[in-house]
Amino acid sequence: DAGVIQSPRHEVTEMGQEVTLRCKPISGHNSLFWYRQTMMRGLELLIYFNNNVPIDDSGMPEDRFSAKMPNASFSTLKIQPSEPRDSAVYFCASTGTSGYEQYFGPGTRLTVT
Amino acid sequence: GEDVEQSLFLSVREGDSSVINCTYTDSSSTYLYWYKQEPGAGLQLLTYIFSNMDMKQDQRLTVLLNKKDKHLSLRIADTQTGDSAIYFCAEDQAGTALIFGKGTTLSVSS
Repeated sequence: DAGVIQSPRHEVTEMGQEVTLRCKPISGHNSLFWYRQTMMRGLELLIYFNNNVPIDDSGMPEDRFSAKMPNASFSTLKIQPSEPRDSAVYFCASTGTSGYEQYFGPGTRLTVT
Repeated sequence: GEDVEQSLFLSVREGDSSVINCTYTDSSSTYLYWYKQEPGAGLQLLTYIFSNMDMKQDQRLTVLLNKKDKHLSLRIADTQTGDSAIYFCAEDQAGTALIFGKGTTLSVSS
């Protein structure tokens, strides 16, 4: 199994640009999580989906952030417009029906200048 | 609300034992977890403990849970340089989403 796949691994963009991060969960997993990691705030849960339905998006910082899961094998996290304070590593994780182990992707390091 | 607290740094010598501590606040958590993050990588589940247990041993790892004090610890015996990483404590929320601490950076010197 390839594990959770995220793309791109690195993204550098200018303030005001739209950024789209992508995630492919492990096949057969039914829950998907988006996290953001910064030195100051640690690892924060942004949103999670169960069976492609958003369950809790209370961690999404602002309306500039949106996430979709159009099918069981793909999710996107979009930031529009991006700001320098969005610079962080964004992780996607998935979990199966056993529920307890979350498998993390390698992350996308986003730098907004 | 839920909050998971950990000390930020721990430095040990190779061959010593490391003990990483964590306190959590949600007494309804079903499982408590330890994740490991190596540089440039995502988090990887190291071990977990069911909330009705007070100890779990897995090779060099020992997890202790004091549910009364909401205190969780991870002991790594015979710490090696390859154990240098960031260790995250996490509790589950309603059985699905995890709440993570800020992580403890373990530095192992030879």
